[in-house]
Amino acid sequence: GQQVMQIPQYQHVQEGEDFTTYCNSSTTLSNIQWYKQRPGGHPVFLIQLVKSGEVKKQKRLTFQFGEAKKNSSLHITATQTTDVGTYFCAAISGGGADGLTFGKGTHLIIQP
Amino acid sequence: KAGVTQTPRYLIKTRGQQVTLSCSPISGHRSVSWYQQTPGQGLQFLFEYFSETQRNKGNFPGRFSGRQFSNSRSEMNVSTLELGDSALYLCASSLSAHEQYFGPGTRLTVT
Repeated sequence: GQQVMQIPQYQHVQEGEDFTTYCNSSTTLSNIQWYKQRPGGHPVFLIQLVKSGEVKKQKRLTFQFGEAKKNSSLHITATQTTDVGTYFCAAISGGGADGLTFGKGTHLIIQP
Repeated sequence: KAGVTQTPRYLIKTRGQQVTLSCSPISGHRSVSWYQQTPGQGLQFLFEYFSETQRNKGNFPGRFSGRQFSNSRSEMNVSTLELGDSALYLCASSLSAHEQYFGPGTRLTVT
């Protein structure tokens, strides 16, 4: 079935540093979504990317979808303590028969 | 609009028992998906219901089942509970294009 690999699993940064998480698939993706889950909370939808090479920005967050639609990244500029949480990518394969497949997530830990 | 609600929020069961979890989607959302979240396996897709029909199914044993009612509310049932079923069970509703709105989850502990 569809597999989505996400790295790194954990990322420690000093407050103010940048952060990037990467998502990779061996198959072409119809689209890719990103979610954030705060400690003790539930995943919250951030964005969906659909087009090859697409780049979208939300304030300090930049999302990219690869040209081949097999990888994606989320970059946070100048992290703040409010960015703490786990960031997941999620994808549905071209066939769409298996629902959403989530990556294992990247846990962002920020040291003040 | 009210968000996705799930009941109960916490549940403790014994091995061999069965459990039913409930989910009320956002008003107007017809798609409801269920996920199991554990530290080891992460978020895993269980199944999706749309207009009372199971549209997609993940790779879980038949002990996991679900249904959706005409008002889009959904239930999932786990029979013959095992210790490994201890997890956070998340329900998510969607209007279209797979963007998921998650509920707070039900924390199930099997002893």
